[in-house]
Amino acid sequence: GENVEQHPSTLSVQEGDSAVIKCTYSDSASNYFPWYKQELGKRPQLIIDIRSNVGEKKDQRIAVTLNKTAKHFSLHITETQPEDSAVYFCAPLNSGYALNFGKGTSLLVTP
Amino acid sequence: DTAVSQTPKYLVTQMGNDKSIKCEQNLGHDTMYWYKQDSKKFLKIMFSYNNKELIINETVPNRFSPKSPDKAHLNLHINSLELGDSAVYFCASSQTHGVRTFGSGTRLTVV
Repeated sequence: GENVEQHPSTLSVQEGDSAVIKCTYSDSASNYFPWYKQELGKRPQLIIDIRSNVGEKKDQRIAVTLNKTAKHFSLHITETQPEDSAVYFCAPLNSGYALNFGKGTSLLVTP
Repeated sequence: DTAVSQTPKYLVTQMGNDKSIKCEQNLGHDTMYWYKQDSKKFLKIMFSYNNKELIINETVPNRFSPKSPDKAHLNLHINSLELGDSAVYFCASSQTHGVRTFGSGTRLTVV
């Protein structure tokens, strides 16, 4: 099965700074790369995703970059705000049904 | 209308009891899942059904039995509950192996 490693496991930044979370996967057949955000006590929700034929995708303050050769993809959050504080999960997927989540990165944005 | 709804939201029960969690989705998705999230926030897939057929069955004790009466429902029955079963259980759905939409979770506490 797919091995998924997420780094760092915790990240603390000051409001306005940038945050980067990296996800490394093992299955070279993976072709879909989503990031989910889970606020405290809430459900995981998709915030951004990218397919294997694209290198970068942006949506306002968040972006995802993909390096298929090195088998990693990263979540970038710019101008962080306190409401960005949450646990972020990567979940690379191949053509199968198993969606293996990374172990999560707990992001804390301090005012 | 809630896209993926699961009941109950909270469940407190004694060791040895049998309990069920229900899940329904109104998105017209063909695939449904059960995930377990432990106290460390790890999200682990337990089961997946596609068009009412079991397609993923991870290493889960056979005290856990999923049932999918139709494409819109996937229930989870747990026999002989143990302390280690305490966790948040999330139901999710997707169209084939795409983006997962999660329910709001069921917090199970076994005492």
